[in-house]
Amino acid sequence: KTQVEQSPQSLVVRQGENCVLQCNYSVTPDNHLRWFKQDTGKGLVSLTVLVHENDKTSNGRYSATLDKDAKHSTLHITATLLDDTATYICVVGAESSSFSKLVFGQGTSLSVVP
Amino acid sequence: NAGVIQTPRHKVTGKGQEATLWCEPISGHSAVFWYRQTIVQGLEFLTYFRNQAPIDDSGMPKERFSAQMPNQSHSTLKIQSTQPQDSAVYLCASSWTGIAEQFFGPGTRLTVL
Repeated sequence: KTQVEQSPQSLVVRQGENCVLQCNYSVTPDNHLRWFKQDTGKGLVSLTVLVHENDKTSNGRYSATLDKDAKHSTLHITATLLDDTATYICVVGAESSSFSKLVFGQGTSLSVVP
Repeated sequence: NAGVIQTPRHKVTGKGQEATLWCEPISGHSAVFWYRQTIVQGLEFLTYFRNQAPIDDSGMPKERFSAQMPNQSHSTLKIQSTQPQDSAVYLCASSWTGIAEQFFGPGTRLTVL
């Protein structure tokens, strides 16, 4: 059973448009949720982390929300650039007594075209 | 700060050969994690070290896979008798503590022919 589900699987937008990525999860306990950007052939770069119920974060053109009751998060990218083309991965941290066991979504593949 | 370093970046092996992947965590980080990424399964946790000691290897395949951390500056993931289904990107991450933010390396792409 998939514990972290992302939608859409893939998305194509024109440069300058806004887009919204969704993440639904069933992980318990859900200590925190983080959005990563993964460029092709590269590692994961953290965009933002959400910890508390109804958290909202903003990091430049990236903003995110978390609804822990609904176990749902969104990532908004405004005024997309060609360099935003990447896979965006939603990760839920299920903290055990000693470490954060990360549960990964399958990712949303975003393509920004001219 | 060079970040997490993984070598090699790409490795091609023949079926049945051994593959050793290296990870150098960020200096000062006491926690090291290994993950595997495939198109079908996505990213999966393999194993976790804290202060060089293995803490959780619940994600490691029971056979052929082993991980070590002989000193605080590097960890290795060894796959014996590689099989085509082992082909994946293997990612290493490190953090200050087990619950702090994890910083990921670029990964090693393993291809088993």
